[in-house]
Amino acid sequence: NAGVTQTPKFQVLKTGQSMTLQCAQDMNHEYMSWYRQDPGMGLRLIHYSVGAGITDQGEVPNGYNVSRSTTEDFPLRLLSAAPSQTSVYFCASSRQGGQPQHFGDGTRLSIL
Amino acid sequence: AQSVTQPDIHITVSEGASLELRCNYSYGATPYLFWYVQSPGQGLQLLLKYFSGDTLVQGIKGFEAEFKRSQSSFNLRKPSVHWSDAAEYFCAVGALNTGGFKTIFGAGTRLFVKA
Repeated sequence: NAGVTQTPKFQVLKTGQSMTLQCAQDMNHEYMSWYRQDPGMGLRLIHYSVGAGITDQGEVPNGYNVSRSTTEDFPLRLLSAAPSQTSVYFCASSRQGGQPQHFGDGTRLSIL
Repeated sequence: AQSVTQPDIHITVSEGASLELRCNYSYGATPYLFWYVQSPGQGLQLLLKYFSGDTLVQGIKGFEAEFKRSQSSFNLRKPSVHWSDAAEYFCAVGALNTGGFKTIFGAGTRLFVKA
């Protein structure tokens, strides 16, 4: 059982570069979400999706784009990386909204 | 929209002592409530959840939590802490918003266990 798989695990970018963080789940979950985790701030919701073709903004969406073309995949794109986006990013999925979420192991992203 | 507050940034307890981690939420109706635990370098693992019904819920690893509507609280408890419980604990609140269902997390409480 793979669960929620995030790639890469670590990445270093330069300011202004673009990048896509990958997230895939094999549980046929409808609901997927992206969070960033910063010290003292817990997990903050970036974007979420209630099903293929449907996405919406969370608490801190600026600077990030998402799409959901399939049930399995929910990539997060940074169009022009900024040092403020240095963080640990977690992808999560659940059968539907309101159900407990399964988390990936995270992607540690540093932007210089 | 909902919000979550975990008033304690960190707590230190002795091994074998009891534990209570506080969580307060803000939402107009009864939300979905969760507690998750995160060990260093790991993702989050669900400890327990509350949707409706009995306000005292049991979770894994000997944890329990009590939903108190009048206090808008969902505090996590454990009668006897083990050294392996040292981790960061997150309270989360899920609720239906205009854009769909959102789950929002508190800032977390880091638990230290001393021998």
